[in-house]
Amino acid sequence: DTGVSQDPRHKITKRGQNVTFRCDPISEHNRLYWYRQTLGQGPEFLTYFQNEAQLEKSRLLSDRFSAERPKGSFSTLEIQRTEQGDSAMYLCASSLGPQGGFFGPGTRLTVL
Amino acid sequence: AQTVTQSQPEMSVQEAETVTLSCTYDTSESDYYLFWYKQPPSRQMILVIRQEAYKQQNATENRFSVNFQKAAKSFSLKISDSQLGDAAMYFCAPWGTPLVFGKGTRLSVIA
Repeated sequence: DTGVSQDPRHKITKRGQNVTFRCDPISEHNRLYWYRQTLGQGPEFLTYFQNEAQLEKSRLLSDRFSAERPKGSFSTLEIQRTEQGDSAMYLCASSLGPQGGFFGPGTRLTVL
Repeated sequence: AQTVTQSQPEMSVQEAETVTLSCTYDTSESDYYLFWYKQPPSRQMILVIRQEAYKQQNATENRFSVNFQKAAKSFSLKISDSQLGDAAMYFCAPWGTPLVFGKGTRLSVIA
């Protein structure tokens, strides 16, 4: 595996349901980032990890959002009680230090 | 806080011609990286080119090159010999941990 993978690629859910996304970074990368992108906009930062430590969270990350990277490898992003405004593409990126992030294909979330 | 401005929402270029996409930014950091990303319709973000702010030499990657003016906080992308596959959204991102992206420039390539 030479790239960042994300699962699922698409998720359709009903408002109020919980969803969880997974990101598998490039294996030697110690940094992992989550971004959200809506149509016509650039990606917006949500949170990032260095190894297993969550070092920064955006104010966009409400209490309904939580992210983990338990062993410093893969990461999960959970959204509780989804709202229609959560519909977006959720992007994961990884890097080895400040070398530029390599992005996964994204998870497209649609909240009905 | 870092800000990024891409003043050209849309650009078009004839196949085989050259086009330059502009980007200006504001940062308080003295040592940083800058990146251009390409996002085709598949929406996969692809790293196009990277510039280290402490290097005076502009980065080049095949048909892609940058014009980095540190004092002016300007970081433009030049695409030479444009190809149909270059059509995409292009995002400028100065490195701040995390990346802060501009709103993007949509590039169309005309055959």
